Amino acid sequence: EAQVTQNPRYLITVTGKKLTVTCSQNMNHEYMSWYRQDPGLGLRQIYYSMNVEVTDKGDVPEGYKVSRKEKRNFPLILESPSPNQTSLYFCASSLSLPRLAHSPLHFGNGTRLTVT
Amino acid sequence: DAKTTQPPSMDCAEGRAANLPCNHSTISGNEYVYWYRQIHSQGPQYIIHGLKNNETNEMASLIITEDRKSSTLILPHATLRDTAVYYCIVITTGNQFYFGTGTSLTVIP
Repeated sequence: EAQVTQNPRYLITVTGKKLTVTCSQNMNHEYMSWYRQDPGLGLRQIYYSMNVEVTDKGDVPEGYKVSRKEKRNFPLILESPSPNQTSLYFCASSLSLPRLAHSPLHFGNGTRLTVT
Repeated sequence: DAKTTQPPSMDCAEGRAANLPCNHSTISGNEYVYWYRQIHSQGPQYIIHGLKNNETNEMASLIITEDRKSSTLILPHATLRDTAVYYCIVITTGNQFYFGTGTSLTVIP
C-alpha cells in the first residue's frame, strides 16, 4: 500500500532531550516536507526537500533540522526541544516538484509531540 | 508569494451543495490551486486541483475565475462525513506549500 509512515504517533519528552521523528514513503517520491500544526495557525511548513541531499527552509525552520540521505526517508530532528515545539507534526511527500507538475501531497498520520 | 484567504467557518445542510470560496489574488500565471481537507487531526487529504479551467472529479468540482484571483470548491451533495477543515493552497515560487487556516465546514443533519 502506498503510504507515508511517521513514527512515533505520540511522543512526550523533556526540554533539551534530543529527539528524532522518522518519516518514510514507499512511492519513490522526490519531494518531501514537514509541517507543524497549532491551533489557530493552520499548517506551517518547517522544511522541505526536493531530492536526495537537497533541503530548504520553510516558514518556521528555527529549532529543527532535517536530512535527506535516502529518497524514501526524511527525518525531523529536534536537537534541543523546547515547550514551544509542542505541536502536531505532519510529514508529506509528492511525486515531483510541486511547481513543475500537478503532484498532490500525500500526508502521514501525524506525530503529536509534547515537550515539558 | 501567492497566498490564500478563506472564511474561517461555514455551515451546510446535509444533501445540499457546499460552496467554499478562496481568494488568491497574488497567484502567478503558472501556479496551481490545490484543495485539501483535514478531518479531525488526521493528515490532510487531497481533493482536487486546477490551473485555469474548471475541474471535476469524484469528490468535488473546482471553479476558477477567469482572472484566477479566486476559486470555489463545490461539494455537490454534502454528507456528514464531509465535516472537515478545507484548505485552499497555492505553491510559491520556492516550491513551498502555504496552507493557511482553512475553512471549517460543518454539515448539519
